[in-house]
Amino acid sequence: DGGITQSPKYLFRKEGQNVTLSCEQNLNHDAMYWYRQDPGQGLRLIYYSQIVNDFQKGDIAEGYSVSREKKESFPLTVTSAQKNPTAFYLCASSIVPGSTDTQYFGPGTRLTVL
Amino acid sequence: DAKTTQPNSMESNEEEPVHLPCNHSTISGTDYIHWYRQLPSQGPEYVIHGLTSNVNNRMASLAIAEDRKSSTLILHRATLRDAAVYYCILRDLRGGADGLTFGKGTHLIIQP
Repeated sequence: DGGITQSPKYLFRKEGQNVTLSCEQNLNHDAMYWYRQDPGQGLRLIYYSQIVNDFQKGDIAEGYSVSREKKESFPLTVTSAQKNPTAFYLCASSIVPGSTDTQYFGPGTRLTVL
Repeated sequence: DAKTTQPNSMESNEEEPVHLPCNHSTISGTDYIHWYRQLPSQGPEYVIHGLTSNVNNRMASLAIAEDRKSSTLILHRATLRDAAVYYCILRDLRGGADGLTFGKGTHLIIQP
């Protein structure tokens, strides 16, 4: 089955530690995205990538970093510089960058920083 | 992307039609209207999108006002599995892959 996988589903970390969230897609999509969702709120864009080896900051990139070394993978690192990292993180992909293009979302990773 | 306004929550009964409104009075001529929904503790999923004409698919229908300043997502026969947060999002045809702008959406409650 084609789709987007995110691992792990739940993640706990101590304050001050960096943590990397995994996102893999086998849909052969060019564009990939990372969003953050806080309780009762909509999603906010962290980073996006239109093509391998290229990525752009979204609305709330501070304290996060990404890489896009392979088409199918777009890992997100939450660094210790992120002031309030506890949130639900969602990865998405789309066939090609475009306004009418559907985005497909993964199941999410719920990060809790203790 | 232009802004949308949706009610915070709506309630409906199972097996009845549901009409979810969205206002987008500042919509431009090149904005597409997209709808996504998010079930509890899951990622959002695409529902439907349109530009000017009404659209139908297996999940829902999208009715777009003639002046395009509002639209309505129609679930023809709601089930308990349709209980979710529904997001109305505008996307400019000329824009790039800069992500979707989500508001708070409408929390749809389905009563059995």
